[in-house]
Order: sequence, then C-alpha cells, then structure tokens
Amino acid sequence: AQSVSQHNHHVILSEAASLELGCNYSYGGTVNLFWYVQYPGQHLQLLLKYFSGDPLVKGIKGFEAEFIKSKFSFNLRKPSVQWSDTAEYFCAVNDPRDDKIIFGKGTRLHILP
Amino acid sequence: DGGITQSPKYLFRKEGQNVTLSCEQNLNHDAMYWYRQDPGQGLRLIYYSQIVNDFQKGDIAEGYSVSREKKESFPLTVTSAQKNPTAFYLCASSIRDSLSNQPQHFGDGTRLSIL
Repeated sequence: AQSVSQHNHHVILSEAASLELGCNYSYGGTVNLFWYVQYPGQHLQLLLKYFSGDPLVKGIKGFEAEFIKSKFSFNLRKPSVQWSDTAEYFCAVNDPRDDKIIFGKGTRLHILP
Repeated sequence: DGGITQSPKYLFRKEGQNVTLSCEQNLNHDAMYWYRQDPGQGLRLIYYSQIVNDFQKGDIAEGYSVSREKKESFPLTVTSAQKNPTAFYLCASSIRDSLSNQPQHFGDGTRLSIL
C-alpha cells in the first residue's frame, strides 16, 4: 500500500533561513507527487506538483521540490523563508492510474519574525 | 481513537440520480471540508464549513450541496446537475483556531463512479 512519510512534525526557523521539508513515499510504480499548504485559518492550497519530466519542480511563492526516484523522496525547499510562510505543509502521492491521493501527516512550519 | 470516517468507500450512481456521501468526525473539530480528486490533478475544494449551520462554496461547488446540522457531520450530496461526478472525494476537518497545534485530518475517501 502507498504511504507518505513527512519527517518533521514541527519546524521553527527565523526569517531568511533556508528551508527543506522532507517527504518520502512508499510505492514502486509511477507516481504523481504534490505539496499542499494550509495557512492559518484557511483551507488547503496546491503549492506545486510533479507528474513527469524535469524532477526539479518550481511552485508558487518561491518554493521548489526535487523528485529523487532512487530515494523515493520529494523534498520541499525554499532558499529564504518569510514570516508569511508560517503554515502547515502536506506532502501527497497519487498513482496516475488511480484517483486516490495519500497524504502525509503534515509539517507545521513556524517562522520567527 | 479519534478520526474522520467517510462512507461508503465505493459508491456507484446511475446517471440522473442524486447521491450523498457521508463524513463523520469525532475530533470535536469546528471546520470541515470536502475536496475532489481527479486523475492527474490535485485536490480541489468543493465546500467547507467553519461552524455548525454555516458553510461556504469552494472552487467547484456547482452540482454539489452540503449541510452542517451537527458539528460532527458534514454530508455531501452530488446532484444530477454535476455533469462529471466520477472522482475520489476526500473529507477533512480541522480546529477552527489557527493557533492550535492540531493539523488538518483527512478521511480515507469515497470513490464515486457513474454506471
């Protein structure tokens, strides 16, 4: 069965620090990969997605993620975080032949001003 | 254990019929959400509710209806007006207070297919 593991449950950084949130999945076949963000008091929003092609995916608000197939990873990165990046971040995986999406448990990111 | 229960897991509908998907949570969460997942796409928000007896349309509310008569329940009705209802439907909940440490919880989903 597919599963998604996010390594850090809670991350605290200062503004301008670099960010990397880990995400590993367990599935042997082709996958679609997603990062979602939930800002305080809001619903989920799609941050970026990987379907095929260039494994380095650029999303909104300066975020990017790299798909490393050999490591079953899809880590989220941002070179310099801002206070407004304070949110919960969810990694998700989906089999392209299926429509079911599996979410990780989320990483709560808190940026200190 | 607390969590979100969606039922049924698989649902089949004939064209022209309304069908209701159940979502129940025992987490005492104020906010509940319905998302739709289509092959090759990300989640899209259908409806959400922040408190009992109140709900708002999401990005793709047309052809759907909801109710929030109880805190723990947020059923979604897929009406005959929804022209492309075949999808995976995911329910979620969260504490309304943005300062809480509770994450958004997800159900296991309901897969709806049209016969």
